[in-house]
Amino acid sequence: AQTVTQSQPEMSVQEAETVTLSCTYDTSESDYYLFWYKQPPSRQMILVIRQEAYKQQNATENRFSVNFQKAAKSFSLKISDSQLGDAAMYFCAYRSAYAGGTSYGKLTFGQGTILTVHP
Amino acid sequence: DGGITQSPKYLFRKEGQNVTLSCEQNLNHDAMYWYRQDPGQGLRLIYYSQIVNDFQKGDIAEGYSVSREKKESFPLTVTSAQKNPTAFYLCASSIDPALGGLNTGELFFGEGSRLTVL
Repeated sequence: AQTVTQSQPEMSVQEAETVTLSCTYDTSESDYYLFWYKQPPSRQMILVIRQEAYKQQNATENRFSVNFQKAAKSFSLKISDSQLGDAAMYFCAYRSAYAGGTSYGKLTFGQGTILTVHP
Repeated sequence: DGGITQSPKYLFRKEGQNVTLSCEQNLNHDAMYWYRQDPGQGLRLIYYSQIVNDFQKGDIAEGYSVSREKKESFPLTVTSAQKNPTAFYLCASSIDPALGGLNTGELFFGEGSRLTVL
């Protein structure tokens, strides 16, 4: 079974600075999807960024970028120019890409990292 | 607007009572999911359904039941057998990643339902 680990329960950053959230995962599969979701105080889950494992290029969405290291099974999220609105719980998640497998369709989440942004 | 609607947002239940949480989506997604969120434990999968009239147990299915009679609807019943039901429940949906498309693999979430057992 796949597992996702976020080793940082809490992180903090000054406004306008850069912060990196860590995520590692364990899988024997070679094709999968990885995601970072944001959960603000409203509790609404919002997709921040995603990465397809077969793509070597790291995904980027405006101020958010990832460092995807497939061999190391690492998927960190970098937030540049941090804003007060970035304060939230961030979840890393894994999804198998193999149709018909026992884990197909399931999204496995890490425990989350609470990000605080200081003005 | 397309989206996922969960109701009720807040629900109180007495011990020994069953309660049903509603989840409706108008995104035309085939797959639907129920997750439970507890402090410090992230999201854990309860049940999921990839097609109408079919569903599979997730990691913590004991004490819960679901049905998928319509594509748009995936209600979750928290039964009296669930020993610690107080939690935040999230419903989600997705297209089948095998179909491809811009949103491959992405889950869309509802706003959640907070269940408290008194």
